[in-house]
Amino acid sequence: AQSVAQPEDQVNVAEGNPLTVKCTYSVSGNPYLFWYVQYPNRGLQFLLKYITGDNLVKGSYGFEAEFNKSQTSFHLKKPSALVSDSALYFCAVRRPLSGNTPLVFGKGTRLSVIA
Amino acid sequence: GAGVSQSPSNKVTEKGKDVELRCDPISGHTALYWYRQRLGQGLEFLIYFQGNSAPDKSGLPSDRFSAERTGESVSTLTIQRTQQEDSAVYLCASGQNRENTGELFFGEGSRLTVL
Repeated sequence: AQSVAQPEDQVNVAEGNPLTVKCTYSVSGNPYLFWYVQYPNRGLQFLLKYITGDNLVKGSYGFEAEFNKSQTSFHLKKPSALVSDSALYFCAVRRPLSGNTPLVFGKGTRLSVIA
Repeated sequence: GAGVSQSPSNKVTEKGKDVELRCDPISGHTALYWYRQRLGQGLEFLIYFQGNSAPDKSGLPSDRFSAERTGESVSTLTIQRTQQEDSAVYLCASGQNRENTGELFFGEGSRLTVL
């Protein structure tokens, strides 16, 4: 079965500094990986995904993530954090097509960007 | 509307009562998920519908929980004999990609409070 680990419950970063939100995964075969964001009192929104190809994927709001197969990681990054980036971030994994498989989420990491 | 719609947005019930939560997915989306998010917690997978295939019920926490979906449209999640630990936000998401590569679109959730 696939699983996702987000080792940090909370990440604090100063505005303008680079940010990283960590994610590691466990899945048989090549994974499909996703990042979602949940702003306060709003539903989850898709940020970016890795399916195949270039290990560095770019998404919404200036975020990017790097797929590292040897480390089974898919960390979310942004070069310069904004206060408005403060939210709850979820990493998710899905097995490649082999029947219908659910999308499994990590427990989430709360990002706080301080002005 | 163009998004995933969930109702009710808020539901307060007494312990032991049954509740029904509704999800209207985006038209044309074949995949539909239910997740549970307890206060301060991550997303807990409950059930997954994909087209006319048998649903993946592996995440349902007990036999008090059930869900139905009519074709590729509306889904209802039913919780019988509610308990206080059922209090959570219940999120519905839909997607349109059978190859497991597509992103999900989430509703705003139904907040359930069991007194």
